[in-house]
Amino acid sequence: EIVMTQSPATLSVSPGETATLSCRASQGVSSRLAWYQQKPGQAPRLLIYGASTRATGIPARFSGSGSGTDFTLTISSLQSEDFAVYYCQHYNNWPPYSFGQGTKLEIK
Amino acid sequence: EVQLVESGGGVIRPGGSLRLSCSASGFTFENYGFSWVRQTPGKGLEWVSGINWNGASIRYADSVKGRFTLSRDNAKNSLYLQMDSLRAEDTAFYYCARQEEWLFPLEFWGQGILVTVSS
Repeated sequence: EIVMTQSPATLSVSPGETATLSCRASQGVSSRLAWYQQKPGQAPRLLIYGASTRATGIPARFSGSGSGTDFTLTISSLQSEDFAVYYCQHYNNWPPYSFGQGTKLEIK
Repeated sequence: EVQLVESGGGVIRPGGSLRLSCSASGFTFENYGFSWVRQTPGKGLEWVSGINWNGASIRYADSVKGRFTLSRDNAKNSLYLQMDSLRAEDTAFYYCARQEEWLFPLEFWGQGILVTVSS
């Protein structure tokens, strides 16, 4: 099973600034990497798929990059609604499609 | 409007069984695969099981293999997760999520249903 590791566990950033979240896979997953956002009491929401493609309705301030084993989610000009927990997940080859443990983005 | 609504959760004793359902609307159900993902309160996400569009391909996480059974009824636009031999560590919110097929992300999620395994 592929292990997904996210860093940092918690990230404190001020509104208007840029947040950079990392995700590493224990083996290559090509570009089959997704990022999800989860707010308290809500289901996760797909933000990015294919490592860098924004899902429908996702603002352009969200961007993803990387391939193989190392991936980054960048959120620029942070808005109040962006403070949440972010998960990466691979969907390469057959399941299980494991998730990272999450990064909590909090207001500094 | 795309909707996925989970039902069937609740409190169950260890060793018991529970059947979760996921009812879909707003799209052509038989064109999509689905997965179940669970989340222990306050913790991260765990992929549990997935099924392709016609039910011919079903996969499970090792943690539930042999105890959980996933199925679908395209005529009823519904997905079912039969959970047997439940353990305390199965306590979690269970989400059903839509995906185009294997090798695609989980593009839409239901709101989740809580399963509590406790004596």
